[in-house]
Amino acid sequence: AQKITQTQPGMFVQEKEAVTLDCTYDTSDPSYGLFWYKQPSSGEMIFLIYQGSYDQQNATEGRYSLNFQKARKSANLVISASQLGDSAMYFCAMRGASGTYKYIFGTGTRLKVLA
Amino acid sequence: NAGVTQTPKFQVLKTGQSMTLQCAQDMNHNSMYWYRQDPGMGLRLIYYSASEGTTDKGEVPNGYNVSRLNKREFSLRLESAAPSQTSVYFCASSSQGRGLQETQYFGPGTRLLVL
Repeated sequence: AQKITQTQPGMFVQEKEAVTLDCTYDTSDPSYGLFWYKQPSSGEMIFLIYQGSYDQQNATEGRYSLNFQKARKSANLVISASQLGDSAMYFCAMRGASGTYKYIFGTGTRLKVLA
Repeated sequence: NAGVTQTPKFQVLKTGQSMTLQCAQDMNHNSMYWYRQDPGMGLRLIYYSASEGTTDKGEVPNGYNVSRLNKREFSLRLESAAPSQTSVYFCASSSQGRGLQETQYFGPGTRLLVL
């Protein structure tokens, strides 16, 4: 069975600092995809970044990067130079290649950026 | 290009009442999904449709039914609402399912309160 674990219910970071949001996963699929989404207080889900299990390099998208450690089954999101607008819920998700089309989500981390 | 749309945005029901949540996407996506989001639980998959004409149960299907009306539309029905179904419901879609990098696109959500 696939599982995503986010162990940090809430995090604080000072504006302009970097922050790492943790995500560990469990799957028996040989290939899989990992996603991070942002959910601001307005409620919409915004796709941030994707990492494939066979990607040689860690994914980056602007201020977002994914610290992918396959052996440890972790896919942590790093936000550099935090901004007040980064305050939101962040969800890690995974999709396996086992023939289904399901995405599994973690319980989320609420990030608060302090001025 | 509206993306994924959901109606209604808010709904209050009494226990035992029925209702249908509507979802439509204009991105020509094959796969569509219904999730519920509860505090501390992340997003849990209710039902999904990998392609037009197919539907499958997710993690929490009890009390719900779905219809994939056509490629664009995927509805979620509560036959006899219960207070435990108070939640925020998200519809999502993704393109051809074989690509692991295919992210989901989410609708704005429906906030449902069952009294």
